[in-house]
Amino acid sequence: EDKVVQSPLSLVVHEGDTVTLNCSYEVTNFRSLLWYKQEKKAPTFLFMLTSSGIEKKSGRLSSILDKKELFSILNITATQTGDSAVYLCAVQDSNYQLIWGAGTKLIIKP
Amino acid sequence: EPEVTQTPSHQVTQMGQEVILRCVPISNHLYFYWYRQILGQKVEFLVSFYNNEISEKSEIFDDQFSVERPDGSNFTLKIRSTKLEDSAMYFCASSDYRGRETQYFGPGTRLLVL
Repeated sequence: EDKVVQSPLSLVVHEGDTVTLNCSYEVTNFRSLLWYKQEKKAPTFLFMLTSSGIEKKSGRLSSILDKKELFSILNITATQTGDSAVYLCAVQDSNYQLIWGAGTKLIIKP
Repeated sequence: EPEVTQTPSHQVTQMGQEVILRCVPISNHLYFYWYRQILGQKVEFLVSFYNNEISEKSEIFDDQFSVERPDGSNFTLKIRSTKLEDSAMYFCASSDYRGRETQYFGPGTRLLVL
């Protein structure tokens, strides 16, 4: 059965810290891996990763995929209270169906 | 920036009633999806829709559920006879042909079945 596992389930850090969120997957027909940020309601798209070893960056956020070891990490540097959210990892299979992880709840304390 | 919209934002209904959740996908998108998220649980795929028909559906998407694109803009999810366990946040998403991997989500409809 396809699955996506995120760790940790929750994380509390202080403003200014750097965090690394993990996502591992076992998906038979992998197409891409996506990171979303979920605050109060809908997930908002962060990154899509399809190739190993190529880092995607957006401001203080970056992400990379390892297709050999079947995982991805999401890094957030110099965290701010506005980064507090649930970060969701989803893997898209060959049918374009998203298989979701349970999320990492990130709390940034001032 | 174009966005997916959903109405209503909240709906409370009695068990056994029919509900229709509405979505307006991004205008040039061709693929449409419904997901649900029961409070405190994972986001779950329900159904994908392309070219006026269902492309994929999950085990959750049983005969109680149906989807429709009644006109050029709306995409609806109907639950025929709601059950208590249908209480969840329902998200609509859409993607275009070239970027099917990138699904853009609407704000969701919070459905509460009493």
